[in-house]
Amino acid sequence: DIQMTQSPSSMSASLGDTVTINCLASQDIGNYLSWYQQKPGKSPKLMIYGATNLEDGVPSRFSGSRSGSDYSLTINSLGYDDEGIYHCHQYYEYPFTFGSGTKLEIK
Amino acid sequence: EVKLQQSGDELVRPGASVKMSCKASGYTFTDYAMHWVKQSPGQGLEWIGTIIPLIDTTSYNQKFKGKATLTADKSSNTAYMELSRLTSEDSAVYYCARAPIRYGGYPDYFDYWGQGVMVTVSS
Repeated sequence: DIQMTQSPSSMSASLGDTVTINCLASQDIGNYLSWYQQKPGKSPKLMIYGATNLEDGVPSRFSGSRSGSDYSLTINSLGYDDEGIYHCHQYYEYPFTFGSGTKLEIK
Repeated sequence: EVKLQQSGDELVRPGASVKMSCKASGYTFTDYAMHWVKQSPGQGLEWIGTIIPLIDTTSYNQKFKGKATLTADKSSNTAYMELSRLTSEDSAVYYCARAPIRYGGYPDYFDYWGQGVMVTVSS
């Protein structure tokens, strides 16, 4: 199975900050990587797909990038609404796997 | 508007089975795959499996083979997941999630999710 190593597991940042969350794939997954935001008691919401493509309706403050097997989600100009857990997900091959999640708190 | 409406929360006895549903609306049911994902309390996400309703093909995470059975009813645009021989390890929230199908018939990322079904296994 492809392992997705996500870091950090939690982080705290201030309003207006820029933060980056990372996922390292254990093998090549091409650009078959997506990012989801999950708020407490809610289902995950698609933010980025194809490693770098912004889902419709997602603010342009969110962006995804790739460097080899390292994938990143960057959020600029943090707002309170960005608080939640972020999950990366590879859909290159079965079994699909997720990172362990990053809990983002806004100070 | 795309919507995935899941059935209600369940309280079940150890050893029993539970079948949950995911009714799709707002799109052509057979144009997409349907995935199922488990989220244990305070934990991350685990992919259970997927069904492609158009060709009635399923793929399972090896970990859930024998535990989960995925089906779909094209006439009612509803996907189902049955979990058998339940134990406390099966207590979790279960989500259905829609996925586009890429060229070659492989499902893609999850673009819409249901609201989740909380399954509690307790005597």
